[in-house]
Amino acid sequence: EAQVTQNPRYLITVTGKKLTVTCSQNMNHEYMSWYRQDPGLGLRQIYYSMNVEVTDKGDVPEGYKVSRKEKRNFPLILESPSPNQTSLYFCASSLSTREAPYEQYFGPGTRLTVT
Amino acid sequence: GQNIDQPTEMTATEGAIVQINCTYQTSGFNGLFWYQQHAGEAPTFLSYNVLDGLEEKGRFSSFLSRSKGYSYLLLKELQMKDSASYLCAVGAYNTDKLIFGTGTRLQVFP
Repeated sequence: EAQVTQNPRYLITVTGKKLTVTCSQNMNHEYMSWYRQDPGLGLRQIYYSMNVEVTDKGDVPEGYKVSRKEKRNFPLILESPSPNQTSLYFCASSLSTREAPYEQYFGPGTRLTVT
Repeated sequence: GQNIDQPTEMTATEGAIVQINCTYQTSGFNGLFWYQQHAGEAPTFLSYNVLDGLEEKGRFSSFLSRSKGYSYLLLKELQMKDSASYLCAVGAYNTDKLIFGTGTRLQVFP
């Protein structure tokens, strides 16, 4: 089954404790992206990757890191989480290229609470 | 830059028709997407328009006017399960980003 998986689905942590949210896709997509979703603000892009070893900042990259060592995986790293990073996070992948956007397939979401 | 506007909330009755509008401003427009998102779940793809006109897909249709920077999503024969948020998203040439609107929350009542 074609899918994007994220882990964990739910996480409660404390300020400053490093964490990683994993994302994996089995559709051989080159494009992957991380979004956060907050009430009233919609989906905002954190980081994206057009291909292996190619990553770029989205609209709200502060406080986050990513890596793309393999095509299928795109982990999101919070080195020192803060309460304002409490949010619902989605990973997505697609066939998108710079010339042509394609539909994005979203993972199930990770609900993160930082206390 | 890019800017997308959608109504925040709409209500409708089961069996009715509802139109959700989206206006956008972008340089180098390269397509508009509509996604459906049920509460607490991931967005799922509904439609894609890159040329002017109407795209029909079952009970859902999406319209685009590039000259007006305007799109709408038309939902016919509304069902209770259509209660969800509907997200408009715009792509642009020479950018790898897809910019999402804040979404329209649709409530369908019996």
